[in-house]
Amino acid sequence: DAKTTQPNSMESNEEEPVHLPCNHSTISGTDYIHWYRQLPSQGPEYVIHGLTSNVNNRMASLAIAEDRKSSTLILHRATLRDAAVYYCILRDPYNNAGNMLTFGGGTRLMVKP
Amino acid sequence: SAVISQKPSRDICQRGTSLTIQCQVDSQVTMMFWYRQQPGQSLTLIATANQGSEATYESGFVIDKFPISRPNLTFSTLTVSNMSPEDSSIYLCSVTRQGPNTEAFFGQGTRLTVV
Repeated sequence: DAKTTQPNSMESNEEEPVHLPCNHSTISGTDYIHWYRQLPSQGPEYVIHGLTSNVNNRMASLAIAEDRKSSTLILHRATLRDAAVYYCILRDPYNNAGNMLTFGGGTRLMVKP
Repeated sequence: SAVISQKPSRDICQRGTSLTIQCQVDSQVTMMFWYRQQPGQSLTLIATANQGSEATYESGFVIDKFPISRPNLTFSTLTVSNMSPEDSSIYLCSVTRQGPNTEAFFGQGTRLTVV
């Protein structure tokens, strides 16, 4: 399985942008980059995903490097509710094994008021 | 989207006993999975629940310890058998559909404490 590397933790001030990095140097051509987050005492929830182009949705933006070996999840204005563990996961939807998610350690985001 | 109801949400069990966790989805889904999250750790996949056939277990997990049923496309159970304190974890059900632009959905988890 292609692996991802994320910082263990990051800190942000409320209402400031947050850039969460992820390295995936062994990514394959059919791997999609997915981000999930896990709020305290909850199951993970989907945030965003992309293949090559940058993506935006109501929760966040995903910036993907041109060589696809790294990506950055961008929260435009962090709120206290965004404090969570963020997981960057590679998923190959064309491979049966890609239907299951392999979780790494993730980044614990702390948001200061 | 898919809404997952997982029961029980938490339980405290005696060692040597078994607990069955239920996962109910509000729509038919292709893929169902069971994960374990040990205290302070990330999620680890236990198995893929296959409809009408035996589950597919990941390395380190065996059917005798974690029997799984999936009688239809919307329901699955995970049993944690002959429990020991090391089984104290959060157990999560997850579902997804096949395809490049699909997302996974997770239940709220079952927090199990074995005493």
